[in-house]
Amino acid sequence: GQNIDQPTEMTATEGAIVQINCTYQTSGFNGLFWYQQHAGEAPTFLSYNVLDGLEEKGRFSSFLSRSKGYSYLLLKELQMKDSASYLCAVRSDYKLSFGAGTTVTVRA
Amino acid sequence: DAEITQSPRHKITETGRQVTLACHQTWNHNNMFWYRQDLGHGLRLIHYSYGVQDTNKGEVSDGYSVSRSNTEDLPLTLESAASSQTSVYFCASSAGRGGNEQFFGPGTRLTVL
Repeated sequence: GQNIDQPTEMTATEGAIVQINCTYQTSGFNGLFWYQQHAGEAPTFLSYNVLDGLEEKGRFSSFLSRSKGYSYLLLKELQMKDSASYLCAVRSDYKLSFGAGTTVTVRA
Repeated sequence: DAEITQSPRHKITETGRQVTLACHQTWNHNNMFWYRQDLGHGLRLIHYSYGVQDTNKGEVSDGYSVSRSNTEDLPLTLESAASSQTSVYFCASSAGRGGNEQFFGPGTRLTVL
């Protein structure tokens, strides 16, 4: 089975940086995904890590350490539109297992 | 443009009724998935399919069934709706064995009274 943990809520100021941590214990692993979900909408893909290290994509970066079962999503230069839930998901056999999500609130 | 759609977007039904939620994708993806999303639980996998005539149970499959008669569609049936099945349901699809991200439909909000 899969056990995926991430904080429930985080608050940050516009223009700041926020780091969302995700730890996992899985019976199989072939990739870790981060999705963004605005209230009332579908999740949308943000990033994918399968090897250890940092993947950077604009203001968003994601890090993976497979030996530690750990990932983080880094959001830089926060904007109000970044207020959303961020979902960590581990892939095994092409299925995704999701954490409960972290709600990020960006304040002016 | 390729897309994934769900219908209906909102549904209210009564306990004991059979309900079918539709999912249709034009990506030509082999893999399709159904999730439910509830507060505090995140997205939980109900059923999934890796191709035509293939279906598999996820972690919360009791009371649900799916069928895959073509590549584009994976309808989800609640055989006898229960109040515990009130939730938001998302369908998703991804490409074959080498595919990466799953693409999600807009969701169906189901209320069982």
